[in-house]
Parts: sequence; structure tokens; C-alpha cells
Amino acid sequence: DADVTQTPRNRITKTGKRIMLECSQTKGHDRMYWYRQDPGLGLRLIYYSFDVKDINKGEISDGYSVSRQAQAKFSLSLESAIPNQTALYFCATSDSGLAHKGELFFGEGSRLTVL
Amino acid sequence: SQKIEQNSEALNIQEGKTATLTCNYTNYSPAYLQWYRQDPGRGPVFLLLIRENEKEKRKERLKVTFDTTLKQSLFHITASQPADSATYLCALIMDSNYQLIWGAGTKLIIKP
Repeated sequence: DADVTQTPRNRITKTGKRIMLECSQTKGHDRMYWYRQDPGLGLRLIYYSFDVKDINKGEISDGYSVSRQAQAKFSLSLESAIPNQTALYFCATSDSGLAHKGELFFGEGSRLTVL
Repeated sequence: SQKIEQNSEALNIQEGKTATLTCNYTNYSPAYLQWYRQDPGRGPVFLLLIRENEKEKRKERLKVTFDTTLKQSLFHITASQPADSATYLCALIMDSNYQLIWGAGTKLIIKP
């Protein structure tokens, strides 16, 4: 089993629908992240969480919300999906203390298409 | 403006040769720089981290250099193999907030 698991892997939805992407990890890491990847652009940080009680906005948080249900679970929600949220979404984890100095461990990605 | 640039065109290299990928940045002062590999449909995988006070880092066939004066990192794969074909991403890490800032990646194709 993968250390960082994302569900669903693929989702097609319509404008205005609520969508939740889920992430779970077995690495025991405190820190979890949601990124978005678009063709020709670098990964962009949506939200990050350094522990269960800590939630922080990233570079592009508008239109998104997150929930850290447990150390191992971090979900991303699109309350009312719009077409320009069509993208590949990645969840990642890292060790606390090392923060971004250390490596990020990524899930396999969730491809979201909003029609 | 702040930018991080990687060659957007695919790099085609003959098997056995050294592949060199470039990561240039402007108006950043990163404390660290990381390189990742990403295969199609997969998440990025960490390869190497280099600190601002390190000139060079090696790991097996991989070598990374970091020139803070030129604001550039070079990523080398020696004795390249078709299995090295992938997209390679660089990421800057600022000491102030530890956020990663990502390049868009360069696609590397190693031809047999």
C-alpha cells in the first residue's frame, strides 16, 4: 500500500457541485499539504497543516477549504466547483522539524475535471 | 518580479551521455533547493536537497550544483539510461517561511 493515499484518483463533476478530495498517510508525519498542478506551471500550495490543530492558507486558497480530521487524514473541499479548478491535485507529507528542508512525500494525485 | 525557470522544452539525450538540467531564479534568496522526479500520472519523488552554502551534492549518478551568485542550480545525470526519462522539478525553499516555490519542470527523454 502507498504511504500517501489519495481518493478519488479521477473525478469528473459539474460546475457548482461540492467536491471532497481525501488524503490519508501511514508515514506518521505531522505535516500535510495540498498542492495543485497545472500544465506549464509549477506546483502551487493550496493549504497546509503542521498538526491537527493547525491549518494555514497557501498561495491559492480561494475557493478551497480543508479539514484535518486526524494526524493521518487531511481532506480538501471545493464548495462550489468551477471549470478553472480543473487540475491535478496532490497531497504531500513531511516530517515536523525538518519542514521544507526535508523531503516531501507525495500521493499519486487526484485528477479533477469540472465541466 | 520573482521567477523560477526551468526549460519548458523537452531535453533529448542519447543513452550513456550526461544530461544537464537547469533551474534559474530571480529575486529570491533561497536557503535550500530541492530536486524531484515526476513520472507521468504520478506524484513527484524527492531526489536531492542542497543548501545555500553547499556548492555541489552527489548521489550515485546524480549531481546538483547551486550557485547563489548566478542564481542557478544545475542537475546532472551521468551515464543516462532510458529509465531516467521523466520530468524533473526544482523547488526553492525560503528560510523566512519555509515555503517551497516550484519550477514547472523539464521533461527529459533518454533515447536508446
